[in-house]
Amino acid sequence: AQKITQTQPGMFVQEKEAVTLDCTYDTSDPSYGLFWYKQPSSGEMIFLIYQGSYDQQNATEGRYSLNFQKARKSANLVISASQLGDSAMYFCAMREGRRAAGNKLTFGGGTRVLVKP
Amino acid sequence: KAGVTQTPRYLIKTRGQQVTLSCSPISGHRSVSWYQQTPGQGLQFLFEYFSETQRNKGNFPGRFSGRQFSNSRSEMNVSTLELGDSALYLCASSLVGTGLYNEQFFGPGTRLTVL
Repeated sequence: AQKITQTQPGMFVQEKEAVTLDCTYDTSDPSYGLFWYKQPSSGEMIFLIYQGSYDQQNATEGRYSLNFQKARKSANLVISASQLGDSAMYFCAMREGRRAAGNKLTFGGGTRVLVKP
Repeated sequence: KAGVTQTPRYLIKTRGQQVTLSCSPISGHRSVSWYQQTPGQGLQFLFEYFSETQRNKGNFPGRFSGRQFSNSRSEMNVSTLELGDSALYLCASSLVGTGLYNEQFFGPGTRLTVL
């Protein structure tokens, strides 16, 4: 069965510094997609970045980049130049490519990030 | 373009009652998925509906059910509520296409409290 592990329950980061959030995954499906979501205290999930299992290059979206190491089954999120508004829960999620999986996302336990001024 | 809307936003029920939550997807989105979020279990997939058919189902008891209407709006129902059903229920909508990248857009959630 697919599994996502986020080993950092919480972390502090100084404003304007970079932070790396860890995510490891496990799946037997050779085709999969990895997503990162941000959840502020309001509760809504905000999509940040996506990496496909066959993508040759690491994904980047503005201040967000994904350090994808397929052999290690890890997909760490890097947030550069942290801002106070980055304080939130961050979730790593995976979607398997097999048809039966549909759009189902499997989420990790999340990492709470608190940016200090 | 309007986002995903969920109603009601907050709900308080007592044990044994039943509850219905509603989700209106983004216009043009035909897939609607439901997730339960609790402090203990985290985010868990409930089910996905596409074209009024349940396409996938998570590991939840039969008390949890859902449906989708022809306009893609979806409802989920929980019968015989238990204290452990207290959670944030999130709905997500997406287009259905080929490829793995199929971004899901989440609604603000319905926070259910069971007393």
